[in-house]
Amino acid sequence: KQEVTQIPAALSVPEGENLVLNCSFTDSAIYNLQWFRQDPGKGLTSLLLIQSSQREQTSGRLNASLDKSSGRSTLYIAASQPGDSATYLCAPLSNTGKLIFGQGTTLQVKP
Amino acid sequence: ETGVTQTPRHLVMGMTNKKSLKCEQHLGHNAMYWYKQSAKKPLELMFVYNFKEQTENNSVPSRFSPECPNSSHLFLHLHTLQPEDSALYLCASSQGQNAEKLFFGSGTQLSVL
Repeated sequence: KQEVTQIPAALSVPEGENLVLNCSFTDSAIYNLQWFRQDPGKGLTSLLLIQSSQREQTSGRLNASLDKSSGRSTLYIAASQPGDSATYLCAPLSNTGKLIFGQGTTLQVKP
Repeated sequence: ETGVTQTPRHLVMGMTNKKSLKCEQHLGHNAMYWYKQSAKKPLELMFVYNFKEQTENNSVPSRFSPECPNSSHLFLHLHTLQPEDSALYLCASSQGQNAEKLFFGSGTQLSVL
């Protein structure tokens, strides 16, 4: 059974810092992995999707990496801004077609 | 807007009430999902529908009853819920069932008194 762990659970940084969010998963047999953003009381927005054959994906200030064999992914946020404050969720898609979510990292970027 | 609309946004109900949550997607997708998000827990998949047929029931209690009349609409009928069912209920859709890319609605925040 796939288990997804995200560390840290919460993070508070001053504006402008570069930061790394970590995700680990127990079953490396995955099709892809997605990073989502969730604002309080809202739905999820897909940020980046990395296929199992890829090592990383970039979108603007966001860069996600995937090391499938070791069951790890990281989300790197460059030059953080207060608008980046949200919960970030990692979700590998297993070979059974199920998207399993981590509990998320809640980020606060202070002006 | 993601193209997935959920109503109502907020719902308060007693344990003996019957209510329904509605989800509509305008993206032409074939698969629709219900997820439950409780405080301090990861999102839990509840149901999956592909081309209107239920393909996944993740051991959800029968007090939750889904309905998918067509590929664009998904309902979750609620009956005799418990306080521990209070949560954010999220609907999502994708082009195919393998959830290549999911589009989520804003959710219904449910409180059961």
